[in-house]
Amino acid sequence: AAGVIQSPRHLIKEKRETATLKCYPIPRHDTVYWYQQGPGQDPQFLISFYEKMQSDKGSIPDRFSAQQFSDYHSELNMSSLELGDSALYFCASSSTREKGTGELFFGEGSRLTVL
Amino acid sequence: GDSVTQMEGPVTLSEEAFLTINCTYTATGYPSLFWYVQYPGEGLQLLLKATKADDKGSNKGFEATYRKETTSFHLEKGSVQVSDSAVYFCALRRYGGSQGNLIFGKGTKLSVKP
Repeated sequence: AAGVIQSPRHLIKEKRETATLKCYPIPRHDTVYWYQQGPGQDPQFLISFYEKMQSDKGSIPDRFSAQQFSDYHSELNMSSLELGDSALYFCASSSTREKGTGELFFGEGSRLTVL
Repeated sequence: GDSVTQMEGPVTLSEEAFLTINCTYTATGYPSLFWYVQYPGEGLQLLLKATKADDKGSNKGFEATYRKETTSFHLEKGSVQVSDSAVYFCALRRYGGSQGNLIFGKGTKLSVKP
């Protein structure tokens, strides 16, 4: 079965640079979520999109922005990178159309290292 | 707001020992409850889930029962293996049409020694 695809898997940037992470949700899933997980931390919710509109906002810094495109893939744009942005960034998707338990399906994550 | 509280780790056990990781939650309404597992260097995998009171989720020998009266969802396994070494996250999500995100506990690191 198709899973959530994230790219790149690893990314190394310098301070003050920009980075873009991409997420391709499971086909027919209409909701995408972004999470940030610092070393030894629990995943922190950043932002979510439902049917290409922002649906909820968590602890996303103002330097970050995200959007969901017509093909439902999503991109997380991070500017003016700081050392503290080094983390594992997860994308997850879910469907409101399918009956289920409200499970979120996670990608493998994109590891960002800021030097 | 909604929240999840897990027992702090790390937890170190010998192989074949009994495992319990406590998880309690605070939420309005009737959330769905989940346990996710993260193996070293990997992403988050759903381990088990429960959607309503008294539901029991189970997978790979792990079990957890949704206890509304105690707002708990403790994870148990009768006999752990070295391969169970990982970080375990308890999480909740408001369901019933909500677009709510998952709210995670802090995670409990389990190390199983041979």
